[in-house]
Amino acid sequence: EAGVTQFPSHSVIEKGQTVTLRCDPISGHDNLYWYRRVMGKEIKFLLHFVKESKQDESGMPNNRFLAERTGGTYSTLKVQPAELEDSGVYFCASSQARHSPLHFGNGTRLTVT
Amino acid sequence: QKEVEQDPGPLSVPEGAIVSLNCTYSNSAFQYFMWYRQYSRKGPELLMYTYSSGNKEDGRFTAQVDKSSKYISLFIRDSQPSDSATYLCAMSRSNDYKLSFGAGTTVTVRA
Repeated sequence: EAGVTQFPSHSVIEKGQTVTLRCDPISGHDNLYWYRRVMGKEIKFLLHFVKESKQDESGMPNNRFLAERTGGTYSTLKVQPAELEDSGVYFCASSQARHSPLHFGNGTRLTVT
Repeated sequence: QKEVEQDPGPLSVPEGAIVSLNCTYSNSAFQYFMWYRQYSRKGPELLMYTYSSGNKEDGRFTAQVDKSSKYISLFIRDSQPSDSATYLCAMSRSNDYKLSFGAGTTVTVRA
């Protein structure tokens, strides 16, 4: 079984630019999550999809972040415009059902200069 | 106050030693408790998953949950150099799915 795939693995952009991160969950997993770890902090929840519907986006920092999951398969997370404080590692995870264990991807390391 | 407290270490032990890791938490609503292992430049990998209080054993790994003390532990027996990684505790409430993570403890097992 293929795991959760994220790309790019690393992105370096300048402040004010736009970046789009992509996540392909494990096939058959309806639940998809985005988490983020900024330097020196814990991994924090951003949002949760069930299929194509956003169930909870309470962790999204502000309206510069936009997540989509068209068709209920892969998901994208767009940051526009990027700010310095957006630097960190963005993880995607998926699970079969609520309270099923989460399977994480290797993350996208975002650096905003 | 953080919801989940975890000593970041680092922790260095000789090969074969028992590694003891723990987390404390403040929210009594947490019902599901997990331990993840994370190697450098990789994503968190689920090691142990427990519900409510009690012990769970899987090979060299034992997870303990004491809800009365709001304290969870992970023990690694007969530690190996390949166990060198960052260990993260995580937990969630019964009525949602959001994980609250500890900061992670960096463990080095010396050959």
